[in-house]
Amino acid sequence: AQSVTQLDSHVSVSEGTPVLLRCNYSSSYSPSLFWYVQHPNKGLQLLLKYTSAATLVKGINGFEAEFKKSETSFHLTKPSAHMSDAAEYFCVVSEGSGGYNKLIFGAGTRLAVHP
Amino acid sequence: GAVVSQHPSWVICKSGTSVKIECRSLDFQATTMFWYRQFPKQSLMLMATSNEGSKATYEQGVEKDKFLINHASLTLSTLTVTSAHPEDSSFYICSARDPDSRGYTFGSGTRLTVV
Repeated sequence: AQSVTQLDSHVSVSEGTPVLLRCNYSSSYSPSLFWYVQHPNKGLQLLLKYTSAATLVKGINGFEAEFKKSETSFHLTKPSAHMSDAAEYFCVVSEGSGGYNKLIFGAGTRLAVHP
Repeated sequence: GAVVSQHPSWVICKSGTSVKIECRSLDFQATTMFWYRQFPKQSLMLMATSNEGSKATYEQGVEKDKFLINHASLTLSTLTVTSAHPEDSSFYICSARDPDSRGYTFGSGTRLTVV
């Protein structure tokens, strides 16, 4: 069975400092992995996705994530946090590379950015 | 990228009444849509998978008669919460497979409050 564990429920950083949001997954098959961001009372926006191509994935707004199969991790990073990055972030796994597969969401990490 | 339009963005209804939430795929056809529920400060939980022209597939524990899903066209899926009760108050979000990015695009969500 597939699952996603986001290791931190809350992360707080200062503006201009690096961001690290941790995610570990469990999957029996080749997974597709996603990071989504959600601002309050809004839908989800795709930041980036991994679908068995390059292990270092670059996304929007300066975010990137590295797929490490040996560690079953897909941590999200950004070199320098901006105030507008404050939001809820979800790590998501989908088994298989085709079709309409179900998404399994992590519990989410709330990122706070302080001036 | 692909856009899913979800309406209404918020609704308040009286206990015992029914509420319909619409999700439309703009500029693309969505043969499958997903409906999620999100409680405050929690992750998204898949409720059902909506298939155009056929019956929806519900996740375990989701009442089919309470959450009616209709996917009558390739661009429209609806979720009707029947005989709503305060415990149905939640944030409901729909999603469809983005044909361009091979990710999933989400609606902006509907905040349902049952009083």
